[in-house]
Amino acid sequence: EDQVTQSPEALRLQEGESSSLNCSYTVSGLRGLFWYRQDPGKGPEFLFTLYSAGEEKEKERLKATLTKKESFLHITAPKPEDSATYLCAVQAGYSTLTFGKGTMLLVSP
Amino acid sequence: DGGITQSPKYLFRKEGQNVTLSCEQNLNHDAMYWYRQDPGQGLRLIYYSQIVNDFQKGDIAEGYSVSREKKESFPLTVTSAQKNPTAFYLCASTYSGGGSNQPQHFGDGTRLSIL
Repeated sequence: EDQVTQSPEALRLQEGESSSLNCSYTVSGLRGLFWYRQDPGKGPEFLFTLYSAGEEKEKERLKATLTKKESFLHITAPKPEDSATYLCAVQAGYSTLTFGKGTMLLVSP
Repeated sequence: DGGITQSPKYLFRKEGQNVTLSCEQNLNHDAMYWYRQDPGQGLRLIYYSQIVNDFQKGDIAEGYSVSREKKESFPLTVTSAQKNPTAFYLCASTYSGGGSNQPQHFGDGTRLSIL
């Protein structure tokens, strides 16, 4: 059974304080790992897809990396507008997505 | 602009009543999905459809039903058999069904509550 574990459950940062969110996964035959951002009362917004170990993707203050067992979402010098819940999901084989429970990030000014 | 439209944004269900949540997409995506999101839990798959007139049960299909008569539309009915329907419901779509590793794109959800 595919499993995704995100940590920490919640993270509070000061503006400008860089940190990382973790997504550990157990799947057979990873086809893709997806990161999403979700604001309260909204649907998830797609951020990145990573397909193979060693791959990295960047967008503004966010950088996603992938190993064979986990993915990290690095947030550099975060701003209050980066506050959201960040979701990780994996796709194995030709199956549907398995989501983690998310990390709730709060960035204080 | 292309996107996924879910309606209504808020919905209230009386005991014994069936309610239908709408999901329409103009992204020309083949596959569509329904998820349920509860506080502190990950998204759980209810039903999905890879082509018109075909759909499959997800992990928590009991008490729900769907139809896929048009490529653009994938309505979800929450039946009276679903005893705990209060949740945030999300619709998503993507290209080429489950065989693709393209990202799913989401609507802005419907929040369903019991009266």
